[in-house]
Amino acid sequence: ENVLTQSPGTVSLSPGERATLSCRASRTVSSSSLAWYQQKPGQAPRLLIYGASTRATGIPDRFSGSGSGTDFTLTINGLEPEDFAVYYCQQYSSGPRTFGQGTRVEI
Amino acid sequence: EVQLVESGGVVVPPGGSVRLSCAVSGFTFDHYTMHWVRQITGKGLEWVSLVSWDGGSTYYADSVKGRFTVSRDSSKNSLYMEMNSLTSDDSGLYFCAKDGRGFGELSYFDFWGQGALVTVSS
Repeated sequence: ENVLTQSPGTVSLSPGERATLSCRASRTVSSSSLAWYQQKPGQAPRLLIYGASTRATGIPDRFSGSGSGTDFTLTINGLEPEDFAVYYCQQYSSGPRTFGQGTRVEI
Repeated sequence: EVQLVESGGVVVPPGGSVRLSCAVSGFTFDHYTMHWVRQITGKGLEWVSLVSWDGGSTYYADSVKGRFTVSRDSSKNSLYMEMNSLTSDDSGLYFCAKDGRGFGELSYFDFWGQGALVTVSS
């Protein structure tokens, strides 16, 4: 199983600032088969990024993904109030689909 | 509009059984592998099971293998999961989720239901 480790666990930022979230895999994620999701309290996760860097339909361009191999990053430029949430990475390159433990972005 | 609606969440005693359902609409159900993902209250996401687009293959997380059975019914555009021998570790919110790419290609999840709550408690 490919274990994903996200850091930091929690980050405290202000609206307008940049958030940089990290996701590290224990094994190479082939074909950049990595996705990012956003989850708000009481809601289902929402797909933000797939293929490590492709924004899903309707996702604002302040969200960007990068990385390859075992190291991936989600960047949120100019945090909006609605961006304060928990973010998960997920790999889908092989074996069971695994998620990171999540990063909470709080005000 | 793509919609996934889970049902069947319940309070069940340890050792009991539950059947979850997920009714889908807004896409060609037969073309997509479907998944169950769970979330323990206040915790992260755990992939639980999948059934392939054609129903020919199923896979399970080690934590539920031998106890859970996933299936689909194309005539009803529905996904199911039979959960047996439940323990408190199985308590949580169970989401159904749709593969973003069709015909079994390994994929992210592009749409999710709102979840069904299963509580295992005496």
